[in-house]
Amino acid sequence: DILMTQSPDSLAVSLGERATINCKSSQSVLYSSNNKNYLAWYQQKPGQPPKLLIYWASTRESGVPDRFSGSGSGTDFTLTISSLQAEDVAVYYCQQYWTTPYAFGQGTKLGIK
Amino acid sequence: EVQLVESGGGLAQPGGSLRLSCATSGFTFGRYWMNWVRQAPGKGPEWVANIKYDGSEIYYVDSVKGRFTISRDNPNNSLYLQMNSLRADDTAVYYCARVSHRTVDDQSRWRDFDIWGQGTMVTVSS
Repeated sequence: DILMTQSPDSLAVSLGERATINCKSSQSVLYSSNNKNYLAWYQQKPGQPPKLLIYWASTRESGVPDRFSGSGSGTDFTLTISSLQAEDVAVYYCQQYWTTPYAFGQGTKLGIK
Repeated sequence: EVQLVESGGGLAQPGGSLRLSCATSGFTFGRYWMNWVRQAPGKGPEWVANIKYDGSEIYYVDSVKGRFTISRDNPNNSLYLQMNSLRADDTAVYYCARVSHRTVDDQSRWRDFDIWGQGTMVTVSS
């Protein structure tokens, strides 16, 4: 099974500043045939289900603000929020969909400094 | 509007059973792979099971194999999870989630989960 490990577990950033969350998979999730990374990022606010932000490691889902961006390939990935807004306070999860069992990271709790 | 609405959660005793339902609307249910995902209190999501759009393929996480059964009723746009032999560590919010289509004819199961329901809480306790 693939293990997803996020860092840090929690993070506090000032409003308007950059937030960076890392995700490492225990195996590569890059499919060489189509050069796509089978990696997604989700945002979860209290009492709500996860919301898809990024798929294919770097493609923003429709309606997601462009301050959210994803990068990385193979086993190392990053979610960046370029200018933190108050509504971005949430827990963020990465997920691999390369193989079953699909696995999520343990989450990174993002707050305001 | 695309919607997934779970129901059927509640309190069950260890060894007991529950049947979860997910009513869907706003999309062609019979064209999509569907999942059940659970989230224990204070933990990250855990994928539980998925089922092909026509019901012909089903996959489970090892911890629920032989105890849980995923099924679907395409004419009624509904997804189900029959949970038997429940254990305390099955306590979680259970979500149904749709596998995305990234191209017009895309029906692969190797895709992200683009739509989630609000979830239904399952508590296993004596």
